[in-house]
Amino acid sequence: AQRVTQPEKLLSVFKGAPVELKCNYSYSGSPELFWYVQYSRQRLQLLLRHISRESIKGFTADLNKGETSFHLKKPFAQEEDSAMYYCALRYSSASKIIFGSGTRLSIRP
Amino acid sequence: NAGVTQTPKFQVLKTGQSMTLQCAQDMNHNSMYWYRQDPGMGLRLIYYSASEGTTDKGEVPNGYNVSRLNKREFSLRLESAAPSQTSVYFCASSFRGGGQDGELFFGEGSRLTVL
Repeated sequence: AQRVTQPEKLLSVFKGAPVELKCNYSYSGSPELFWYVQYSRQRLQLLLRHISRESIKGFTADLNKGETSFHLKKPFAQEEDSAMYYCALRYSSASKIIFGSGTRLSIRP
Repeated sequence: NAGVTQTPKFQVLKTGQSMTLQCAQDMNHNSMYWYRQDPGMGLRLIYYSASEGTTDKGEVPNGYNVSRLNKREFSLRLESAAPSQTSVYFCASSFRGGGQDGELFFGEGSRLTVL
């Protein structure tokens, strides 16, 4: 069955430290992966997608089909990065999109 | 341009009562979704509608029904509410094709408590 796994419920790092939020997926087809973020009192919003291969707010994520992973990374964490992060999978070109259980990132000053 | 609008924002129900959550989007999106968000469970897909006139089950459809009323509106109905349906419900929409293909735009959420 298709699944998105985010193994860490909570990740706490100091400001300026590197951050890596893990995401693994299981899907036999050609996946499209996304990272969404929910800041306090704001709507869920797209952070980045693997197709774009871009860096948003200093975050990057690389799709590793061999390891079926799409980990989110940032070299130097900032306090404003504190939020809930969700990894999401879209089934090939279909409309169905499923999410992982989320990781709460807390940046300590 | 309001984006995705959900109503109501808060609702308290008694077990066995019914209610409908309304969702409307003004972005001319093809696809619409209903998710529920529970602590430790993340976002789970209840139902989705790839295009006007179609609906499909998601990961947790039991106890829910949906209606894609037109391109703009997608409602979620609880026929006989149960305490296990206490959750925050999110509606989302997305566009097919182009640079925003697949990006979900979310509503603010509806907090439902079933006593």
